[in-house]
Amino acid sequence: EVQLVESGGGLVQPGGSLRLSCAASGFTFSTYSMNWVRQAPGKGLEWVSYISGGSSTIYYADSVKGRFRISRDNAKNSLYLQMNGLRAEDTAVYYCARDLYGDYAHEYWGQGTLVTVSS
Amino acid sequence: QSALTQPPSASGSPGQSVTISCTGTSSDVGAYNYVSWYQQHPGKAPKLLIYEVTKRPSGVPDRFSGSKSGNTASLTVSGLQAEDEADYYCSSYAVNDNRFGGGTKLTVL
Repeated sequence: EVQLVESGGGLVQPGGSLRLSCAASGFTFSTYSMNWVRQAPGKGLEWVSYISGGSSTIYYADSVKGRFRISRDNAKNSLYLQMNGLRAEDTAVYYCARDLYGDYAHEYWGQGTLVTVSS
Repeated sequence: QSALTQPPSASGSPGQSVTISCTGTSSDVGAYNYVSWYQQHPGKAPKLLIYEVTKRPSGVPDRFSGSKSGNTASLTVSGLQAEDEADYYCSSYAVNDNRFGGGTKLTVL
């Protein structure tokens, strides 16, 4: 059974940093591209970042480019999102999502971790 | 990186069909067949319903179907059931990007 479990969310002050983790199990992690998708309270989904299976291809949404960094450790079956320079508008539930093999559709999602940026 | 355009709401009675549109541009929906649809119930993670415009993952009822014409994709829910009441999001690949629509709240009357 595919499982994705996010952790690392919490309350952080504006300008602060946070590192999110996503522990994957139930599939060959290195084979699949992964994403971070966020959802602000009461709002819609917003794609944040993409990383290919071997980390050779990485994309970011304009809203986080230069502040967030996606990475993965295939030996540890883990996905990460390093978030720096956090702003109030980054407040959201952050989901990690696994793509369908060879596709860009997000087939499996974690339960999400809440990041709150506030003083 | 503009969001795709969806109607904020849609509704139908049990047993009826409802179609939700998703309008993009020639750089996303119109350019690629990587359009997907997601269902999200309150407090839950999204669930993949449709990928590559028309394909359904295993376990998704065939009441859910997708299509595309030009820059607009559509999700049709046939034989509406009470459990179909949820938020629905479309998504499309674009170069160096993966954009979502604003979401449509489907109400089953």
